[in-house]
Amino acid sequence: QVTLRESGPALVKPTQTLTLTCTFSGFSLSTSGMCVNWIRQPPGRALEWLARIDWDDDKYYSTSLKTRLTISKDTSKNQVVLTMTNMDPVDTATYYCARILSPQSGFDYWGQGTPVTVSS
Amino acid sequence: DIQMTQSPSSLSASVGDRVTITCRASQSINRYLNWYQQKPGKAPKLVISAASSLQSAVPSRFSGSGSVTDFTLTISSLQPEDFATYYCQQSYSAPPTFGQGTKVEIK
Repeated sequence: QVTLRESGPALVKPTQTLTLTCTFSGFSLSTSGMCVNWIRQPPGRALEWLARIDWDDDKYYSTSLKTRLTISKDTSKNQVVLTMTNMDPVDTATYYCARILSPQSGFDYWGQGTPVTVSS
Repeated sequence: DIQMTQSPSSLSASVGDRVTITCRASQSINRYLNWYQQKPGKAPKLVISAASSLQSAVPSRFSGSGSVTDFTLTISSLQPEDFATYYCQQSYSAPPTFGQGTKVEIK
């Protein structure tokens, strides 16, 4: 069955770089159409999409955050990594990875999320 | 970026009520509209894709309709397990964008 699991630090200091890993199983990111996304949700607030990487290594980023984000994949390890530079307390959120079967489909499988707090 | 606007932001309803949530896109998105249900402390769950396609294992009391810019999620008879926050999301073009959410609470 399809599963995704996020991992990374629970606490980062302001100005530090956050690195999150999404480890997945039950599908291959080398399959045509497959994409993995990162989405976050600050406490009590709405969902915000961050980045996407496609089966063919195309990458897409949030308009407002693109200067701070980098997404990459390791197909052999079934992992997708997101880095976010210059972290700020407003970046405190639960970070999710989620799969889509094609660029225009819905997020059909999600990880359980990993909470990240930005504080000195 | 395409803006998604949901209404209402919250509603109170009783078990058995018919509930309707609307979502409007700032430009045409054809039928590339998805609905998610999120319960506290849990990841969102896809309930409807492509405006009206019910996901497997989602009860038939959920339905979606609409096209172009205006969309609706309807729960025909609200059940206790349906109390949650619902989000719409457009997948027409990158970046994908979400509505601000509608919290369905018990009256």
